[in-house]
Amino acid sequence: DIQMTQSPASLSASLGETVTIECRASEDIYNGLAWYQQKPGKSPQLLIYNANSLHTGVPSRFSGSGSGTQYSLKINSLQSEDVASYFCQQYYDYPWTFGGGTKLELK
Amino acid sequence: QVQLQQSGTELVKPASSVKISCKASGYTFTSNYMHWIRQQPGNGLEWIGWIYPGNGNTKYNQKFDGKATLTADKSSSTAYMQLSSLTSEDSAVYFCARGTRTWGQGTLVTVSS
Repeated sequence: DIQMTQSPASLSASLGETVTIECRASEDIYNGLAWYQQKPGKSPQLLIYNANSLHTGVPSRFSGSGSGTQYSLKINSLQSEDVASYFCQQYYDYPWTFGGGTKLELK
Repeated sequence: QVQLQQSGTELVKPASSVKISCKASGYTFTSNYMHWIRQQPGNGLEWIGWIYPGNGNTKYNQKFDGKATLTADKSSSTAYMQLSSLTSEDSAVYFCARGTRTWGQGTLVTVSS
């Protein structure tokens, strides 16, 4: 199985700040990567697919980048509604696997 | 719009089975893979498997082989997941998902005597 290592596990940032979350795959996943946002009691919501494509309706302050085994999610100008947990997921190969998640809080 | 409506919370006893449903609307049910994912309390997400409702083909995460059984009813555009021989380790929220893009709201399964 492909292991997804996500960092940091938690993050505290101020409104307006830029934050970056990293995800490392145990092997090349050829951009088969998605990023999700999950708020308490809700299902994950797709933000980014194919490593760098913004899902419909997602604010442009979210962006994804990377290739090979290293990927990142950047949130520009942090808003209060961005407080949530974030997960990466590889869908290049089965079984699909997820990163351990990053809990983003306001400082 | 695309929607996946899951069945409600389940409280079940150890060693029993439970069947969760996921009713799809807003797209062609038979032409899209339906995935199932588990999220245990405080833990991350695990992919269980998929079913292709058009022909009933399935693929499972080896970890869930024998634990989960995926089926689909084309007439009602509903996918099902049956979980068997339940233990406290199976207590979790279970999601259905149309690929990566649309997820159901989740079904909480609690296994307790």
